[in-house]
Formats: sequence, C-alpha cells, structure tokens
Amino acid sequence: EVQLVESGGGLVQPGGSLRLSCAASGFTFSSYWMSWVRQAPGKGLEWVANIKQDGSEKYYVDSVKGRFTISRDNAKNSLYLQMNSLRAEDTAVYYCARDLGSTSCYDYWGQGTLVTVSS
Amino acid sequence: DIQMTQSPSSLSASVGDRVTITCRASQGISNSLAWYQQKPGKAPKLLLYAASRLESGVPSRFSGSGSGTDYTLTISSLQPEDFATYYCQQYYSTPPITFGQGTRLEIK
Repeated sequence: EVQLVESGGGLVQPGGSLRLSCAASGFTFSSYWMSWVRQAPGKGLEWVANIKQDGSEKYYVDSVKGRFTISRDNAKNSLYLQMNSLRAEDTAVYYCARDLGSTSCYDYWGQGTLVTVSS
Repeated sequence: DIQMTQSPSSLSASVGDRVTITCRASQGISNSLAWYQQKPGKAPKLLLYAASRLESGVPSRFSGSGSGTDYTLTISSLQPEDFATYYCQQYYSTPPITFGQGTRLEIK
C-alpha cells in the first residue's frame, strides 16, 4: 500500500524556518517525481515545488523561489521541504504528492501537515 | 503561466442529478488536465487525468471531456458521497503546475 506521511509542521514566527519531511512507503520512491502542494486555510490548491527522481531537477513556484528548497533522500525514501524566511502568506497545509507516471498530476497524497506563520 | 478558470465556483444539486463542471485554460493544454475531488479535512483524490482517463477505482459515473482550452467534468448521477470540492489542474506547461480555483458542490 502506497503511503505518504508528512511531518514537521507547526507554529513559526515570520522570518523563521521550518523543515518538512515526507516519509514514503509501499512503492519504489526513487522511480517517481515528487511534489509539494499547499492549501491556505479555506483556499484552493497551490503547487509549491517538485523534484526529479534523482534530484537533478527542481522547480518552484515564483512566490517561494530563493526561500524554499526541495530535496530528497532516496536511500531513506524521504522527501523534504526546507522553508526559510517564512511569511504569513506561507500559512497552509502542506501536502507531499507522488507524480502519476510521466505526468505531473498526483495519484497519491499525504495527509498534510499544517504550517502556521504568525507572531 | 497558464491560468485555469473553473465554473461555476459553487453549485447546488440533488442526489441523482447530472452535474457538469467546466475548466478553461488561458491557452491550449493538449488534454494535459487532471480532476481532483477534495472533502473537508482530507487530501485531494485524483479522479481523471489526460482529460478523460479514469483513475483506477474511481466510479464510472465520473467522466471527463474536452480539448484545446475547454474541459468538463461530468457526474452522471450524483451520489451522497460526491458532495465535495472539485479542482482541475493543468500539467501541459510546467513549471508552474496550476490548479483551478475549485468548484464547491453542495446538496440542494
């Protein structure tokens, strides 16, 4: 059974940092692109970043470029999102998601982890 | 960036109704479109991809169609468990991957 389990969310002050993790199981993690997608409270879905199977390609939404870093450790079946210089508008539930084959749509999602940026 | 616009933003319908949700892209996306269902407090669930391909395990009352810039999600006969928010997503021109703003389907 495919499982994605996020962790690392919490309350952080503006300007602070947080590192999210996503533990993957039930599939060959190293064979898939992976993504982070977020959802602000009461709002829609926003793609944040994605990363190629071997980590050689990474892409970000403009609003997080230079502040967030996506990475992965295939030996640990884990995906990460390092978030620096956090802003109030980064407050959201962050989901990790697995790309469906060669597409960039998502067939499996984690349960999400809430990040709240507030003083 | 490709903008995705869904209509309507909200919709009231009854069990057994046929419902259609539309998604329009700001430029052609060559059927690189997915539809998701999301219930409160839950992660989105993939329903269809490549505009019309049903994800494994998704009931056949869900169908998708369209081409170019205009796409539709149809639920042929609404069931109680279908009341949720629906999102379209394009993956034709990335980055960025972009979603529609969502359509909330409510019980009439």
